Amino acid sequence: GAGVSQSPRYKVAKRGQDVALRCDPISGHVSLFWYQQALGQGPEFLTYFQNEAQLDKSGLPSDRFFAERPEGSVSTLKIQRTQQEDSAVYLCASSPPQRVGTDTQYFGPGTRLTVL
Amino acid sequence: GNSVTQMEGPVTLSEEAFLTINCTYTATGYPSLFWYVQYPGEGLQLLLKATKADDKGSNKGFEATYRKETTSFHLEKGSVQVSDSAVYFCALRNTGKLIFGQGTTLQVKP
Repeated sequence: GAGVSQSPRYKVAKRGQDVALRCDPISGHVSLFWYQQALGQGPEFLTYFQNEAQLDKSGLPSDRFFAERPEGSVSTLKIQRTQQEDSAVYLCASSPPQRVGTDTQYFGPGTRLTVL
Repeated sequence: GNSVTQMEGPVTLSEEAFLTINCTYTATGYPSLFWYVQYPGEGLQLLLKATKADDKGSNKGFEATYRKETTSFHLEKGSVQVSDSAVYFCALRNTGKLIFGQGTTLQVKP
């Protein structure tokens, strides 16, 4: 079946521009996570949704970062007034309901953001 | 707080050599432990996992045992192949989110 998809796969932005990154989770997955992966590092947690509710946003690095999942399916991560330190790969992951018996997170291919 | 520490890479091995990638963790409570792999040009894939102490996760010839007494989850494979060349990430999951180590690059030469 279809996995997690993300778009765009690559995004180049000028410093100060706003960007929006999209994530389509696996159908039926209620939990959705965003991670940021800097070059040569492991992914770092940004935020987490269960259905449409944002339950944890403790990893968002600043108020320039905003995420939403209004209908409990597709999610968008928005970065306002991008800075060079925002350059990274942004990963989305989804996981099925707990009743399915697994807490495995399935990752999308990521969006590579480069801020010039 | 929760954290994961992996051995630094790159690890370079010849084909059919034995592989160990060390991973230790710090966590409150009883986390689940994971190894993810990232092949060149691809996304993160779950390799194996263990959900409680003394569990052994295994997949594709790789194994790791959840050791609570040493807070470790070392990855091993008896005979690596060139196709195992990738970046390996150890991770724990405690309160929903995954916490990753910095990754270890494995290069296997024919």
